[in-house]
Amino acid sequence: GENVEQHPSTLSVQEGDSAVIKCTYSDSASNYFPWYKQELGKGPQLIIDIRSNVGEKKDQRIAVTLNKTAKHFSLHITETQPEDSAVYFCAASKTGNQFYFGTGTSLTVIP
Amino acid sequence: EPEVTQTPSHQVTQMGQEVILRCVPISNHLYFYWYRQILGQKVEFLVSFYNNEISEKSEIFDDQFSVERPDGSNFTLKIRSTKLEDSAMYFCASRGDTYEQFFGPGTRLTVL
Repeated sequence: GENVEQHPSTLSVQEGDSAVIKCTYSDSASNYFPWYKQELGKGPQLIIDIRSNVGEKKDQRIAVTLNKTAKHFSLHITETQPEDSAVYFCAASKTGNQFYFGTGTSLTVIP
Repeated sequence: EPEVTQTPSHQVTQMGQEVILRCVPISNHLYFYWYRQILGQKVEFLVSFYNNEISEKSEIFDDQFSVERPDGSNFTLKIRSTKLEDSAMYFCASRGDTYEQFFGPGTRLTVL
């Protein structure tokens, strides 16, 4: 089955700096890659997603890039703010049903 | 904004007991899911449900687990005889026509 690896496990950045989280996947048939943000005591919330037919997608301060050949995708957050502090999960799916999640990155934005 | 809700938020049970975790998906969604997250580990897929039947399930979802949509709004996960290793956060999710899955806040299950 699919295996998704995520790095780093923890990340601290100064407010205003950029944060980058990287994921790799193993199954070349995966075609949907969402990123979820999980705040303490809450369920994961989708922040951005990308399909395999595009290489990059941007939504304000958040962007995701996908390299199908290398089987990796990354989350980029620019101009980070304290409210960006949370755990971020990447995931991969080929059916839109079963999501394979990464291990999560705990992001801390230092004011 | 519509959201997925789950009850209870925390369930404590004795090993060997049956538990039922409840979810109310977003009303116009047709695909329903259960995931679990053992403390400090990945979120893991358990099962997907569509058109009143299981469409996919993982190796974790063995005979001790079952799902049901007993009426037009609820979606339940039953664990027949809980084990210590079933202690985890259980998330329900639902989606409509797109691949975007909306997650509930989770039920923390503690098996003693």
